[in-house]
Amino acid sequence: ETGVTQTPRHLVMGMTNKKSLKCEQHLGHNAMYWYKQSAKKPLELMFVYNFKEQTENNSVPSRFSPECPNSSHLFLHLHTLQPEDSALYLCASSQGRVLGEQFFGPGTRLTVL
Amino acid sequence: GESVGLHLPTLSVQEGDNSIINCAYSNSASDYFIWYKQESGKGPQFIIDIRSNMDKRQGQRVTVLLNKTVKHLSLQIAATQPGDSAVYFCAVNSGGYQKVTFGIGTKLQVIP
Repeated sequence: ETGVTQTPRHLVMGMTNKKSLKCEQHLGHNAMYWYKQSAKKPLELMFVYNFKEQTENNSVPSRFSPECPNSSHLFLHLHTLQPEDSALYLCASSQGRVLGEQFFGPGTRLTVL
Repeated sequence: GESVGLHLPTLSVQEGDNSIINCAYSNSASDYFIWYKQESGKGPQFIIDIRSNMDKRQGQRVTVLLNKTVKHLSLQIAATQPGDSAVYFCAVNSGGYQKVTFGIGTKLQVIP
C-alpha cells in the first residue's frame, strides 16, 4: 500500500449505531487530518494531529471522536450521528504543517439513516 | 468572515482548448492560495499553489493567476485533455489551519 488509505470506503449506519473510520498513511508523515466534504459545500477541516497530539478541533460536535494512536494511523469514532452528518470524510497527511503539502486519502462515503 | 466562491459550477470544454476556472475570495489578508483537482471517487490532489507576493505561477500545462486588487484567483489549463475532467476547487489561507477556506468547486467536463 502506498499513500493514504481509508477504510471502509462506504458506510451506512443508523443514528443509534457506533462505527469507526480508519485512516493509514504510508508516507512517513507526522501530521494527519480529518475533513468533511458535503455535497455542494466547501471542504471543512475537522481535526488536526501533529506527532499524535491533537492541535486543532474546528468546533466539531462531540459525536465525532478522533483518535491518533501513532503518526501512521488516525481514527474517527462515530456515535449517535444525524442524517446531516452524511458526507464524504477525507483523511490527509503531511510532513509539515503546510497546507499545500497534504496528501489526501480517497475518503469514506458515510450515509446516516 | 472569509468567503470563497467559484463563478461557474460546471464548465464544458472541447478537448484541446484551454480551460479557465475562477475563484473569488473576500479576505484581503489571505496570503496563500492552492488549487486542487478531485476526480470521481478520489481525494483532492494538489495541483499548484501561489503566495500573495506573486501574481502568476506556471506548472506543467497549468497556470495560476492572482489578482489581489479584486481578490480573484484563476486556474488556466492549457490544451485540456479528457484526463483533466474532474472537480477543481481553490483553497485560501489567511494564516493557520483555522483560517483556511475552501471553495465549493467547479466541475470541468472535457468533450472529446
